Amino acid sequence: AQKITQTQPGMFVQEKEAVTLDCTYDTSDPSYGLFWYKQPSSGEMIFLIYQGSYDQQNATEGRYSLNFQKARKSANLVISASQLGDSAMYFCALSLIDKLIFGTGTRLQVFP
Amino acid sequence: NAGVTQTPKFRILKIGQSMTLQCAQDMNHNYMYWYRQDPGMGLKLIYYSVGAGITDKGEVPNGYNVSRSTTEDFPLRLELAAPSQTSVYFCASSFSPGQSIYGYTFGSGTRLTVV
Repeated sequence: AQKITQTQPGMFVQEKEAVTLDCTYDTSDPSYGLFWYKQPSSGEMIFLIYQGSYDQQNATEGRYSLNFQKARKSANLVISASQLGDSAMYFCALSLIDKLIFGTGTRLQVFP
Repeated sequence: NAGVTQTPKFRILKIGQSMTLQCAQDMNHNYMYWYRQDPGMGLKLIYYSVGAGITDKGEVPNGYNVSRSTTEDFPLRLELAAPSQTSVYFCASSFSPGQSIYGYTFGSGTRLTVV
């Protein structure tokens, strides 16, 4: 069965600190992609970062990095130097040959 | 470049009414998707299409129907609306799913309330 799991319903982090959002997945397909999206209160889906299953190095995009541990089937998002504007819902998603499936999300709140 | 366009943005339906949510993309993407997002939850796949004339069920297809007669359009039909279908609906498209940096393009969503 193909599945993606986010076990942290909510996380708090102080401004300028780093935070890790957890994501585990399950698929028997050898070729897949992992995405992280941010959804602010306005509702749009904002692409943050992508990791392919064959990529050797962890993906990085500015303050975002993806800690990809293939053997453990985990794809955690690390946000460095958190900002107040990072407060939002964050979704991990598994991209398969024909579709994209989402985790339940983590609500991140950044406080001063 | 419009991307993925969803109409309407908001709609209130009465129980038992029907409606069609429209989704159009101008990127010549073969793959298109419909998701629903209940408050505080993740996105659940309703239906998807891998090309014109081909559709398949996702996780939560009951109460919905789709058709894909052209590459550009992927309408979602709600028959006999129920309060449980109150949700935000997202349409998305992709050039090449799976292991692809091209990723997915999302519409801005349709907020539907059934009363």
